[in-house]
Amino acid sequence: AQSVTQLGSHVSVSEGALVLLRCNYSSSVPPYLFWYVQYPNQGLQLLLKYTSAATLVKGINGFEAEFKKSETSFHLTKPSAHMSDAAEYFCAVTLPGAGGYNKLIFGAGTRLAVHP
Amino acid sequence: DVKVTQSSRYLVKRTGEKVFLECVQDMDHENMFWYRQDPGLGLRLIYFSYDVKMKEKGDIPEGYSVSREKKERFSLILESASTNQTSMYLCASSPWQGTAANTEAFFGQGTRLTVV
Repeated sequence: AQSVTQLGSHVSVSEGALVLLRCNYSSSVPPYLFWYVQYPNQGLQLLLKYTSAATLVKGINGFEAEFKKSETSFHLTKPSAHMSDAAEYFCAVTLPGAGGYNKLIFGAGTRLAVHP
Repeated sequence: DVKVTQSSRYLVKRTGEKVFLECVQDMDHENMFWYRQDPGLGLRLIYFSYDVKMKEKGDIPEGYSVSREKKERFSLILESASTNQTSMYLCASSPWQGTAANTEAFFGQGTRLTVV
């Protein structure tokens, strides 16, 4: 069965510092991978997705993620944190060929705090 | 602009009440989902539907049922609300993709339900 592990439920960085949020997946075949962001009292918004094209994926708001099959990882990075990046981030996975349902399996989430 | 709308942002219900959470999407998507979000657990799939009147259980269906009488509307029903169903509920939709499964789901704003 597929699963997603996000290392670190809370991450705190200074404004301007590198953001690194970790995501590892468990799947018997290379999955499709997604990062979503949730701002306070909001729904989830897609940041970026990996769908077996380029392994380095660029998303909105300066975020990017790299798919590494050998490490079964899809870590999210941003070179310079901004106060507005404070939110909860979720990694999610779905399997190719799983049918048209596209059920997403989510990690537990990482709450990012950005301090001045 | 794509939209998934949940009828209530906040709800307070009493133990034993029958509770209806409504979700409407305007994107003509085939798939609709109900997730439950709890701190430290991420999002867990309750039920999903891939067509009108069709439904499938997710990972935590106990205590819930769903209804999909029209393509654009997907309702989550708590037959007899209990305090352990206090949570954030998120509705999502996505298009049917055959074997592709590489399109993201679109989320509503969430309904924060408190059962007292």
